[in-house]
Amino acid sequence: AQSVAQPEDQVNVAEGNPLTVKCTYSVSGNPYLFWYVQYPNRGLQFLLKYITGDNLVKGSYGFEAEFNKSQTSFHLKKPSALVSDSALYFCAVRAYGNNRLAFGKGNQVVVIP
Amino acid sequence: NAGVTQTPKFQVLKTGQSMTLQCAQDMNHNSMYWYRQDPGMGLRLIYYSASEGTTDKGEVPNGYNVSRLNKREFSLRLESAAPSQTSVYFCASSVHREETQYFGPGTRLLVL
Repeated sequence: AQSVAQPEDQVNVAEGNPLTVKCTYSVSGNPYLFWYVQYPNRGLQFLLKYITGDNLVKGSYGFEAEFNKSQTSFHLKKPSALVSDSALYFCAVRAYGNNRLAFGKGNQVVVIP
Repeated sequence: NAGVTQTPKFQVLKTGQSMTLQCAQDMNHNSMYWYRQDPGMGLRLIYYSASEGTTDKGEVPNGYNVSRLNKREFSLRLESAAPSQTSVYFCASSVHREETQYFGPGTRLLVL
């Protein structure tokens, strides 16, 4: 079985401060990890993914994520949050050889001006 | 290049009515997916099609049927809608089943 936990329902951060959205996963074998963002009344937009290689992955809009195998985590980070980053963020995992993605429940990020 | 498109954007049904949600992609992707999104539950896979001519059940297939009409189009049918099927439905596609999935804008369905 594969699963994702996003422990915080909502993350509040002041504009200009660092943003972190947490994700831990459970999967048999090597994980493929993804982050998606959803703006109100829109579909999910792909941000970044980890397949193999460097543990630090850089993606769209200045976001990055760090893969930590020992802690089974894949936290999303941005050095300086913008008000426009306010959205719902989803972490997803897939085991190597498995074509099904397992999504977390999502984290609402609110960036306060 | 429109990516993944879905119709309709919004629909209201009465219990027992049927309807088909349409999805099309213009990215020449082989794999297509249908998800539903409910508050606090993330996205759950209903059905997927790894390639043209094949379909498989996902996590929550009961009450739904799908048709992979051709490489571009993948439709989701509700034969007899129930209030529990009130949700937002997303279609997605990927080059192959193990690649990154790209999502459509969604269809909001309300079943009364």
